[in-house]
Order: sequence, then structure tokens, then C-alpha cells
Amino acid sequence: GQNIDQPTEMTATEGAIVQINCTYQTSGFNGLFWYQQHAGEAPTFLSYNVLDGLEEKGRFSSFLSRSKGYSYLLLKELQMKDSASYLCAVKDSNYQLIWGAGTKLIIKP
Amino acid sequence: GAVVSQHPSWVICKSGTSVKIECRSLDFQATTMFWYRQFPKQSLMLMATSNEGSKATYEQGVEKDKFLINHASLTLSTLTVTSAHPEDSSFYICSARDPRRGENTGELFFGEGSRLTVL
Repeated sequence: GQNIDQPTEMTATEGAIVQINCTYQTSGFNGLFWYQQHAGEAPTFLSYNVLDGLEEKGRFSSFLSRSKGYSYLLLKELQMKDSASYLCAVKDSNYQLIWGAGTKLIIKP
Repeated sequence: GAVVSQHPSWVICKSGTSVKIECRSLDFQATTMFWYRQFPKQSLMLMATSNEGSKATYEQGVEKDKFLINHASLTLSTLTVTSAHPEDSSFYICSARDPRRGENTGELFFGEGSRLTVL
């Protein structure tokens, strides 16, 4: 079966750095996405990785290792507005998106 | 970025009634739109893929006669929850890809979501 695992909840301090991990087992791989979802709102796109390595975009970076079936989202200089759920999603061999359950990130002052 | 709009944002209805949710791509044409539902603290669950001018493709376990999808134009898809029951209460979200950005990234643009409460 297809499976995406990410921690249910994480807590971090304002101004700090946090890493949210995602491991996946899917039938094929055609890219991995990270989305941010604030409570009661729709997800918004953060990043896309299809090759191994680190993609940096401002305070957010995303890493992929296809051989390990592993990705992480790194958030730097955390702000209170970063409190949200972070969804990991993988596009499988049929180009269908398989979604993780999301990691709820709580930022404390 | 591309804009997808959903309406209504909130809807409360009585059990047994039908509710229609609209999803519009405002600045691009979408031949394909996706409908998801999301229960509290759970991930997005794809319900169906809406195809302009043809029948929607439903995921396994989703009742096509209960969740009617119509994609009559390149900018509008509708989801109608027929004979709604309390267990249908959920957050329904539509999304679409912007063809101008190509299929390589597969980035999805989401509507604002519609929270349905069935009494």
C-alpha cells in the first residue's frame, strides 16, 4: 500500500528553527510537495522537490532523498504566523497525489 | 499565482436537503479540477476528479450518486451533496492546476474551502 508518515504535532519557539520530516512508500515517485494549511483554510503551496537535494526559498527549505524515501521541511526564524499544519504529498507513478495527515506546528513566544 | 475561488465558505443545512458548492478558476482555464474532503485533524481525501465536458472520475468508496459533480465550463465545477446527512459534515476543498505553468510541477491551487454542517 501507499503510505506517507509525518509527525502529528510539533512545538517550537519563535525565532528558532524547526525541521518537519516526511517519509513515504509509494508506487513510483514523480515529485514531493509541501503545503501549508492554516486552521479552517485551504492549503497553500510551499515547495516542490523532484531531484535529490535541498531547495531553499526564503525562510523555508525542503530536502529530498529519493533513495531513502525521505524529505524534510526546514523553517528558520520562526514567526507566530508559521503556526499551521504542514502537509507532505507525493505524486505517484500515476501522477496521483498521495497526502500525509499533516504536522501541526505550534509556535510559542 | 493562479486564483481558485469557492462558494459558499460556510453552509448549514437540514438533513435530507441538497447543497451545491461552486469552484471557479478566476484567471485561468482548468480542464481538470479536483474535489477533496477533510475531516478535523485528518489529511485531504481526494473524492473525485472533475473533467470539463465529460463525467467525473470518482475515487473508490465515494458515492457518485450522492456527490454529483458537474464541470460545464473551463472555469466552473460544482459539487452537489444530495440528501445530506450529519456524517457528510466536513470541509470540502476544490483545486486545479494552472496549465500555463505546465504539468511538470503539478502545483495545485486550492479554493478557500467550504465548511458544510448538516443538522
